[in-house]
Amino acid sequence: AQSVTQPDIHITVSEGASLELRCNYSYGATPYLFWYVQSPGQGLQLLLKYFSGDTLVQGIKGFEAEFKRSQSSFNLRKPSVHWSDAAEYFCAVGATGNQFYFGTGTSLTVIP
Amino acid sequence: DADVTQTPRNRITKTGKRIMLECSQTKGHDRMYWYRQDPGLGLRLIYYSFDVKDINKGEISDGYSVSRQAQAKFSLSLESAIPNQTALYFCATAGRANTGELFFGEGSRLTVL
Repeated sequence: AQSVTQPDIHITVSEGASLELRCNYSYGATPYLFWYVQSPGQGLQLLLKYFSGDTLVQGIKGFEAEFKRSQSSFNLRKPSVHWSDAAEYFCAVGATGNQFYFGTGTSLTVIP
Repeated sequence: DADVTQTPRNRITKTGKRIMLECSQTKGHDRMYWYRQDPGLGLRLIYYSFDVKDINKGEISDGYSVSRQAQAKFSLSLESAIPNQTALYFCATAGRANTGELFFGEGSRLTVL
């Protein structure tokens, strides 16, 4: 069965520090992988996606993610966090037939 | 204007009442979804529809029903609301390609007293 695990419920980083949010997935075939961000009071916005090809994908707002098949992981990274990055982040896997499975989310706090 | 619009954005109701949440989209997408978000549980799929005549249950469909009135409209109903249906509800759309991403509305916060 498909599943997505985000092991970190909450992360706090200082502004300017680097960030890595973890995501592990379980899926029988080659997955389509996504990272979404949810700002307070807003819907979810796509940060980046992986379908095939280069395992390092670039997204909006300076985010990137690396697909590692051997580790079943798709971790999100940013070299230098800004205060505006404080939000909730969701990893998702897209299965055949346009079904999507989400992780439980990681809440990011950025301290000045 | 938003591509995916949900109404109402906030609603407080009482146990036993019937509630409808509406979703309309201007993206021309065939595929529409209703998700529920609860703290610590992420997003869980309630129902999804791949076209007007195709409705499918998601992982938590009990207590909910849907109607796909047109390609652009997908409504979620709670026939008799109960307090544990208090949550943030999201409508989302996707294009026909299997690699397509989801596009979300801004959410409807429902409180059942």
